[in-house]
This record gives sequence, C-alpha cells and structure tokens, in this order.
Amino acid sequence: ETGVTQTPRHLVMGMTNKKSLKCEQHLGHNAMYWYKQSAKKPLELMFVYNFKEQTENNSVPSRFSPECPNSSHLFLHLHTLQPEDSALYLCASSQVGGQSGEAFFGQGTRLTVV
Amino acid sequence: AQTVTQSQPEMSVQEAETVTLSCTYDTSENNYYLFWYKQPPSRQMILVIRQEAYKQQNATENRFSVNFQKAAKSFSLKISDSQLGDTAMYFCAWQRVGTYKYIFGTGTRLKVLA
Repeated sequence: ETGVTQTPRHLVMGMTNKKSLKCEQHLGHNAMYWYKQSAKKPLELMFVYNFKEQTENNSVPSRFSPECPNSSHLFLHLHTLQPEDSALYLCASSQVGGQSGEAFFGQGTRLTVV
Repeated sequence: AQTVTQSQPEMSVQEAETVTLSCTYDTSENNYYLFWYKQPPSRQMILVIRQEAYKQQNATENRFSVNFQKAAKSFSLKISDSQLGDTAMYFCAWQRVGTYKYIFGTGTRLKVLA
C-alpha cells in the first residue's frame, strides 16, 4: 500500500469505552499529524510528531493520548470521550525540510461518541 | 499569528464553466508555501496546487490555476472547464517553509451542477 492509511474508517463508541485509531504512512516522511475536522471549523491540529518526538500538543484534553512507536506509525488512544468529540479525525504526514512542504492525508476516521 | 480566511462557505458552478474560490491570509513571514487542497466526499484530502511565496509566477496545474497576490495576501483558485468530479470541499492552507505547521482555512464547499 502507498500513501497514508487510517483504520478504522468509522467508529462508534460509548463514553466509557476505550478505543484506538491507527495511522500508517509508507512515504518515508519524518513528521506525522493528527487533525480534528468538525463542520464549519478550520482543521484543528491536535498533535505533531517530528522524528517520533512529540513537538506539538495543542491543548488537547487528556482523554486523547497519542503514541508514535516509529516514524511510520501513529496512534490516537481514546478513552472516556464526550459527545462533542464526535468528528472526522485525519492523519497526515509530511517531510519537514523537504522540497515541497506538501502534507499527505489519510481518509480519516469518522468517530461518533454516543 | 498566521490566519487563513475563506469567505465563501459554499459555491456552485455549472459544468464546463469557470469558478474562482477566494482565500486571504495574514502573515509577517516572507518565506512560505500556500496550498489548495481538495476533499471529495470520499474524505481523503489531496493536494490540488501549491505556490511558493518567493515565486512571482502563478502556479498552474491543468485546469487549476491560482492568482497569487503577495502584497494583498490573496491566493485565489480558478477552476476552468469545471467537471462533476470537482465537487468537493476546498481548503486553502499556509505553511512556513521548513516547518511542520500548517494553517488551514474553514473551507469552501463547491458543487458542480450538470
């Protein structure tokens, strides 16, 4: 597979559940991102990992916990979420310091918290 | 702080016609990229076109072209000969060269009518 792959595509979870979102990139990039996309809002950057080190955490509630075991994989662990956390979660990767600056996105996970 | 503004939440265009999506941004930086991303109903965001701020020449990719006005901080996207497959959300984005941080606008939903 090429590009950025996210699983699952859809997830419905109760407020007391624990689940994880997975992202994998096959592009050899050195940076990976989690974004939250809600209707009529700009994409909200949640976390950035650059060379596996977390370089950004945009005041994200602790019920969201990222994990980056290596430069190709990124997880978002979810626990005790709220209904307002329902959104599309996008993973992206890019090559920081590369020539194009382009970010490549996965297809997203549509999360519904009930 | 950098901001990106897309003032048109929704637009429509007849098939084969031309449409222009507007984007303005605010930055004190001098070396940056600007992007237009397309997000079709399948949800995967893909790059449409990219502009380096130091280049005066407007970028062009087939039916897509930009009007980059650096002094006015304006970066509009023109789609010529619109096709039904152009129906999507379009996001304008800004990035300082060599960094991992992107700033996205709120998007413009474009519908191409048969």
